[in-house]
Amino acid sequence: DAGVIQSPRHEVTEMGQEVTLRCKPISGHDYLFWYRQTMMRGLELLIYFNNNVPIDDSGMPEDRFSAKMPNASFSTLKIQPSEPRDSAVYFCASSLGGSSKETQYFGPGTRLLVL
Amino acid sequence: KNEVEQSPQNLTAQEGEFITINCSYSVGISALHWLQQHPGGGIVSLFMLSSGKKKHGRLIATINIQEKHSSLHITASHPRDSAVYICAVCSGGSNYKLTFGKGTLLTVNP
Repeated sequence: DAGVIQSPRHEVTEMGQEVTLRCKPISGHDYLFWYRQTMMRGLELLIYFNNNVPIDDSGMPEDRFSAKMPNASFSTLKIQPSEPRDSAVYFCASSLGGSSKETQYFGPGTRLLVL
Repeated sequence: KNEVEQSPQNLTAQEGEFITINCSYSVGISALHWLQQHPGGGIVSLFMLSSGKKKHGRLIATINIQEKHSSLHITASHPRDSAVYICAVCSGGSNYKLTFGKGTLLTVNP
């Protein structure tokens, strides 16, 4: 398997622009997670899905952030409008089952810079 | 106070040394994960622990549920072990949310 695939790998945009990050989980994995990593706060869970349904979005910072999972093989994280403080690395991860003991497989991340 | 505290924040060692990274948490958990993040940014899951000890090659992870503490040990360290090591806990129940420590930056010099 190719692992978790994210695109783009790097994104530079200007404040106020819309940004869309994409993720393809490992085939057969029922859970998909979006994380954000910054120097100040480390890794934080933004939202996670089970069988394409959002389960916990309490980590989504504000209404500017939205995430969708239209099917089992694709998810998007959208920021509209983007702000400089959104600059971070955004990781997508997937896991096979619904247990805290399941291994999560991380994508390579999208490095976002908002100017 | 962060729910998950790691120490040290930074660690420099000479090749061959025994390494210990510590993780303390303040909430009840169902599982604790150790992750490795390489300089290129990729994150790999190393261990999942709910009790006792696990070993994989030169890496050993232990957990003491009563003391809310876990350690990651690396024996015979090598420069390729240089990475950020991240501890994450899951409080369990019906929520599968991981809470992360800030990570420990390990540099192993040849």
